[in-house]
Amino acid sequence: EAQVTQNPRYLITVTGKKLTVTCSQNMNHEYMSWYRQDPGLGLRQIYYSMNVEVTDKGDVPEGYKVSRKEKRNFPLILESPSPNQTSLYFCASSRTGSRTGELFFGEGSRLTVL
Amino acid sequence: SQQGEEDPQALSIQEGENATMNCSYKTSINNLQWYRQNSGRGLVHLILIRSNEREKHSGRLRVTLDTSKKSSSLLITASRAADTASYFCVRLANAGGTSYGKLTFGQGTILTVHP
Repeated sequence: EAQVTQNPRYLITVTGKKLTVTCSQNMNHEYMSWYRQDPGLGLRQIYYSMNVEVTDKGDVPEGYKVSRKEKRNFPLILESPSPNQTSLYFCASSRTGSRTGELFFGEGSRLTVL
Repeated sequence: SQQGEEDPQALSIQEGENATMNCSYKTSINNLQWYRQNSGRGLVHLILIRSNEREKHSGRLRVTLDTSKKSSSLLITASRAADTASYFCVRLANAGGTSYGKLTFGQGTILTVHP
């Protein structure tokens, strides 16, 4: 089954404790991206990757890092989480790097930073 | 900001009625997509319309795009209770060969369809 898998789905952590949210897709998609969703603000793009070893900032990259060493994986790293990073996070992928078409979303990772 | 407006923010209708949601944006686009989200779940793609298209249909969905007004609308005909969800428009900026990956979401319309 074609899918985007995020882990963990739920996480409560404390300020400053590094964490990684993993994202994996099994569709051989070139394009992958991360979003955060906050009430009243909709979804905002954090980072995106057009292909392996190619990443770029979205609208809200501060406090986040990403890497794309393999085509299927695109982890989101919070080096020193802060309470304002409490949010619902989504990973998504798409077949083509240009003319970005249909996005396939993961089920989301709800992160709480105390 | 490239974030546009979605209108209305919330829409409540009865089953069988049509639901219309609108999306406006500020910069030129390559394409515009509509997605649906059920309460905190992942988004699901509904339809994509390219900047050179004016209207597309998919089942009970009809999407229009007016690039001169920088706006799009999503019409759901003969709505059902199962259509209750949030609906988002997503724009891919037309950045002349760069930033093809940068996507901008609207804030969404919450649709409630009463049985």
